[in-house]
Amino acid sequence: DAKTTQPPSMDCAEGRAANLPCNHSTISGNEYVYWYRQIHSQGPQYIIHGLKNNETNEMASLIITEDRKSSTLILPHATLRDTAVYYCIVSLRPGNTGKLIFGQGTTLQVKP
Amino acid sequence: DSGVTQTPKHLITATGQRVTLRCSPRSGDLSVYWYQQSLDQGLQFLIQYYNGEERAKGNILERFSAQQFPDLHSELNLSSLELGDSALYFCASSGEDSTGELFFGEGSRLTVL
Repeated sequence: DAKTTQPPSMDCAEGRAANLPCNHSTISGNEYVYWYRQIHSQGPQYIIHGLKNNETNEMASLIITEDRKSSTLILPHATLRDTAVYYCIVSLRPGNTGKLIFGQGTTLQVKP
Repeated sequence: DSGVTQTPKHLITATGQRVTLRCSPRSGDLSVYWYQQSLDQGLQFLIQYYNGEERAKGNILERFSAQQFPDLHSELNLSSLELGDSALYFCASSGEDSTGELFFGEGSRLTVL
């Protein structure tokens, strides 16, 4: 599984967009980019994933560079409840041979 | 609510003892994953089962074992417990749909004294 590099921590003002970067320069062609978050000690929560194209859902947007070596998770209007550890993971699809290997993630602090 | 149920939520036991953690996956999900989260190690993948068969193995100690039963629930058995086994243990499940998304339970917090 490809490794990822994320900044250990970031701050964001409430109501502003939070842009969380992730580098994954060794990603292979059939590996997806997954984003999860963990609020305090709750179970991790899926946010979004993508292969090549940019993706958007009700929670966030995922921007993947053309060379697929990096990506950015965008929370368009961060709220205090978005304070969490955000994990960027590259993997084959779980359920096949992929397994999600979590790194240290980025601790996002949303401030009033 | 992810649909994944883990029991017990909290467990306190002594060194040398054995415990069993139980996971009921979302209805219809064939894959079950176990993760360990301790303060100094982060989220560590332990093992994956698919429809009763072991599919992938991570950093699971020999003192730990798991199985998935015909009704698809899974159990993680931890034996000869040590202080360092104190952690949150998460179970996750996934289905055969196109997203490959994992659904995590709320975890079982194990404290070894």
